[in-house]
Amino acid sequence: GAVVSQHPSRVICKSGTSVKIECRSLDFQATTMFWYRQFPKQSLMLMATSNEGSKATYEQGVEKDKFLINHASLTLSTLTVTSAHPEDSSFYICSARQYNTGELFFGEGSRLTVL
Amino acid sequence: AQTVTQSQPEMSVQEAETVTLSCTYDTSESNYYLFWYKQPPSRQMILVIRQEAYKQQNATENRFSVNFQKAAKSFSLKISDSQLGDTAMYFCAFMKLNNNDMRFGAGTRLTVKP
Repeated sequence: GAVVSQHPSRVICKSGTSVKIECRSLDFQATTMFWYRQFPKQSLMLMATSNEGSKATYEQGVEKDKFLINHASLTLSTLTVTSAHPEDSSFYICSARQYNTGELFFGEGSRLTVL
Repeated sequence: AQTVTQSQPEMSVQEAETVTLSCTYDTSESNYYLFWYKQPPSRQMILVIRQEAYKQQNATENRFSVNFQKAAKSFSLKISDSQLGDTAMYFCAFMKLNNNDMRFGAGTRLTVKP
């Protein structure tokens, strides 16, 4: 099946710094990508929908200025957590919608720890 | 808004036996997709099975099958001949036909015991 890669898989940063997480569709074009957040032992919560070449659509309650999403190409979306705080520590997962089939594929996830 | 409910936070089953995970959902849509995803300790989301709402026939994928009751808005997953590798979190998910953002249930932690 199609492959979606997230990088980094784990990141530790200091409070107040910004962290960028990349989501790449390796062997297909993705017009739409989705970013989810998952707390320990909880479900995936949709944060935002990222469309190539346009602004992301954020879910209610998600701070746009804190979680910056950029989808500059058909194979790459990035999530930047700005001025990270310990409460931003979580597991972030992206999914990508294959352009021609509409199927969704998930990345491996990125664990963010803010000290 | 669509909601997905998984009422069983944890379940266990003996190896080689059968287990059923329940899922209900709420939507006003007539056409949509339903999914079961497996999330093992690696946290990678793995698609187990997918059902199109317009298809009456229940989807089957090897040892995994669903009981899709559209009128009741129920979508249960049956795992036959359970294997130790089936131990994982299982998420039921809903997706509208024209909007690919996926909504997940709270998950069921399944443990297969030897």
